[in-house]
Amino acid sequence: EPEVTQTPSHQVTQMGQEVILRCVPISNHLYFYWYRQILGQKVEFLVSFYNNEISEKSEIFDDQFSVERPDGSNFTLKIRSTKLEDSAMYFCASSRTGVWSPLHFGNGTRLTVT
Amino acid sequence: KQEVTQIPAALSVPEGENLVLNCSFTDSAIYNLQWFRQDPGKGLTSLLLIQSSQREQTSGRLNASLDKSSGRSTLYIAASQPGDSATYLCAVRPNDYKLSFGAGTTVTVRA
Repeated sequence: EPEVTQTPSHQVTQMGQEVILRCVPISNHLYFYWYRQILGQKVEFLVSFYNNEISEKSEIFDDQFSVERPDGSNFTLKIRSTKLEDSAMYFCASSRTGVWSPLHFGNGTRLTVT
Repeated sequence: KQEVTQIPAALSVPEGENLVLNCSFTDSAIYNLQWFRQDPGKGLTSLLLIQSSQREQTSGRLNASLDKSSGRSTLYIAASQPGDSATYLCAVRPNDYKLSFGAGTTVTVRA
């Protein structure tokens, strides 16, 4: 069964450094998302992406965050200058269509900012 | 703002018992509701998606019901097995693009 793949599985970085989290969504999916889960907290929405542009973003997704689909298969999340509070599990998800399709999630990237 | 609540936060049952997991949401204007399973340190596995017009969905031992007007969904897992031990999350879709998640119910099935 097709799946969403994320790399790396774990990333450790120093405060102030830039990180790029990578995702390969399911190939025939058109909608892409990033969510995050701080340890012990709910999964929370960051951003959705459709037709090569951001369709919605949360208040968490400030100017330090950006997303890109650099080619036909990858979808990336960049954090420009990491803070301690960015430490979390970051999940990529994709869906075939918009509102009516289920979201399929990857296994996540655990980001640790020291 | 949509709030999603899952009760209980944790549940421990002996193998073979049926599981009943509850999810409530504050705003009934949703497109659908999705149930996920999360194993420790892992991603979210989609279990069932119920559209707002549906009352229930079934997949194998899993059955999910939706009462949109009262803001409730229930996930039933029949004849639980130790392999069902995980955290179960429900998420509602209030608009086109995002899911709002509950905090989850952590299930332990004792052999």
